[in-house]
Amino acid sequence: SAVISQKPSRDICQRGTSLTIQCQVDSQVTMMFWYRQQPGQSLTLIATANQGSEATYESGFVIDKFPISRPNLTFSTLTVSNMSPEDSSIYLCSVEGVTSGGAYEQYFGPGTRLTVT
Amino acid sequence: EDKVVQSPLSLVVHEGDTVTLNCSYEVTNFRSLLWYKQEKKAPTFLFMLTSSGIEKKSGRLSSILDKKELFSILNITATQTGDSAVYLCAVRISYGKLTFGQGTILTVHP
Repeated sequence: SAVISQKPSRDICQRGTSLTIQCQVDSQVTMMFWYRQQPGQSLTLIATANQGSEATYESGFVIDKFPISRPNLTFSTLTVSNMSPEDSSIYLCSVEGVTSGGAYEQYFGPGTRLTVT
Repeated sequence: EDKVVQSPLSLVVHEGDTVTLNCSYEVTNFRSLLWYKQEKKAPTFLFMLTSSGIEKKSGRLSSILDKKELFSILNITATQTGDSAVYLCAVRISYGKLTFGQGTILTVHP
């Protein structure tokens, strides 16, 4: 399975500011994904980070609010822009891996807990 | 709209009890169903199921999928306090895209 690290692990930010979250994977992966988990809620896919092209956003998420970079096959960043308290969530990076048996499994990074005051 | 529903939403048991967590789904393009355990932030992968009727087992945990009735169960036998966590069910509908259920909060008392 892939080993995923994220930075920062947590942050407290003031409204109106922006935060960039980094995700590093220990092996090359075709696609990386960003999920959000709001307090008391389950995980929701924000976007797919594509290497060499623009990210693909899910309904309800836009590039101006959540710009994503994917400069290579092991690294991605997610920026939460112009933050408001509603952006307080855990942000998780995820990758899909293929087992030796050919099955797809999906793994998550340790998450970034963001609190906006 | 794709939907994954878990039940119960929360469960309190004592050590040694056996629990069954349920997950039903209605999705347009089913590829696989995954179970995760979430204790703090990151969900930890437990099982991936693609075929009906084939039980997957790991220690005291087991899971099975019924693609005809569109549900899966996760069983935990001889529960321990370390099993206390949120258990998430997710359906993979396309490459990398998981639709998650609300989760079941399991609390195991000594």
